[in-house]
Amino acid sequence: AQSVAQPEDQVNVAEGNPLTVKCTYSVSGNPYLFWYVQYPNRGLQFLLKYITGDNLVKGSYGFEAEFNKSQTSFHLKKPSALVSDSALYFCAVRGSGNTPLVFGKGTRLSVIA
Amino acid sequence: DGGITQSPKYLFRKEGQNVTLSCEQNLNHDAMYWYRQDPGQGLRLIYYSQIVNDFQKGDIAEGYSVSREKKESFPLTVTSAQKNPTAFYLCASSIGGPLKVEQFFGPGTRLTVL
Repeated sequence: AQSVAQPEDQVNVAEGNPLTVKCTYSVSGNPYLFWYVQYPNRGLQFLLKYITGDNLVKGSYGFEAEFNKSQTSFHLKKPSALVSDSALYFCAVRGSGNTPLVFGKGTRLSVIA
Repeated sequence: DGGITQSPKYLFRKEGQNVTLSCEQNLNHDAMYWYRQDPGQGLRLIYYSQIVNDFQKGDIAEGYSVSREKKESFPLTVTSAQKNPTAFYLCASSIGGPLKVEQFFGPGTRLTVL
């Protein structure tokens, strides 16, 4: 079975500081990893994905994520946070088989001016 | 949210009533999904369909039903058997087959049981 853990319910960061939102996963076989963002009362928006290749993946709005196979992690990062980055962030994984994405419980990011 | 529409945006239901949530996509995607979102619980899969006229149960299918008669439509019915239906419901779609593809989400329907 595949699963995702987002160990932090809430992350607070000052505007202009770097941010990290953590994600660890468990799958059999090679993982396909995704990050999504959700603003209040809206659907999820795709940010980036890791399929294979370079461990550092760049995505939308200046976000990037680092895949670490030995630590089974896929942390979301941004060098300089904006107040507008405040939202709910979801990590998701798909392992072997043509199955739907499995999502973590989400991490609420709050960027303070 | 582009390409996937959900209606209505807000829905109120009396206890004992069945209600149907609409999901339509114009992305020509083969696969469609329904998730339920509750605070602090993330997204939980209700049903999914990889091709027309076929669908599979997800992790929390009890009290829900779906149909997939057309490629672009995947309606979800919340039946009176669902004990706690108040939640935010999200529909998604994706190209079928490849594991590497992302899912695209609609704007959601918030269901409240009165």
